[in-house]
Amino acid sequence: AQTVTQSQPEMSVQEAETVTLSCTYDTSENNYYLFWYKQPPSRQMILVIRQEAYKQQNATENRFSVNFQKAAKSFSLKISDSQLGDTAMYFCAFMSQGGSEKLVFGKGTKLTVNP
Amino acid sequence: ETGVTQTPRHLVMGMTNKKSLKCEQHLGHNAMYWYKQSAKKPLELMFVYNFKEQTENNSVPSRFSPECPNSSHLFLHLHTLQPEDSALYLCASSQGTGRFLNEKLFFGSGTQLSVL
Repeated sequence: AQTVTQSQPEMSVQEAETVTLSCTYDTSENNYYLFWYKQPPSRQMILVIRQEAYKQQNATENRFSVNFQKAAKSFSLKISDSQLGDTAMYFCAFMSQGGSEKLVFGKGTKLTVNP
Repeated sequence: ETGVTQTPRHLVMGMTNKKSLKCEQHLGHNAMYWYKQSAKKPLELMFVYNFKEQTENNSVPSRFSPECPNSSHLFLHLHTLQPEDSALYLCASSQGTGRFLNEKLFFGSGTQLSVL
């Protein structure tokens, strides 16, 4: 079974600085998808970024980028120029490409951006 | 606002009560989901509906009973719950399931449930 591990329960960063959130996963599959979701205090989970395992190029979305290391099964999220609105829980998630409806989530990292 | 609305936002109930959670999506999606989010645990998928048909029941106790009358509405009927069922219950929708699940999930803001 797939597992997703986020080893940092909490992190903090100063406004305008860069922070990296870690995620590792375990799978025997070769094709899959990886996601980072953000859950602000409003509780609404929002997709931040998505990576297909067959793509070597790291995904980027504005200030958000990932470092996808397939061999190491690592999928970290880098947030550049951190903003106060980035304060949230961040969840890493895995999904098999085989068609399962199951997204497997990590336990989350609570990120606080300080002014 | 992502187009997925959940009511109520908060719910407190006793172990003998019967209550229902409601979810409605205005996105024209075909798939809807119930997730349970407990403190310090990963999100747990509970149920999946695709075109109103249940396609996934992740070994959820029968005291949780889902209902999907159409592709836009999803309910979770609750009865004789236990205190350990206290959690945030999130509804989500997507365009489809299976190989189309790589389309992103749209979540509601959840119902924070407390069972006394």
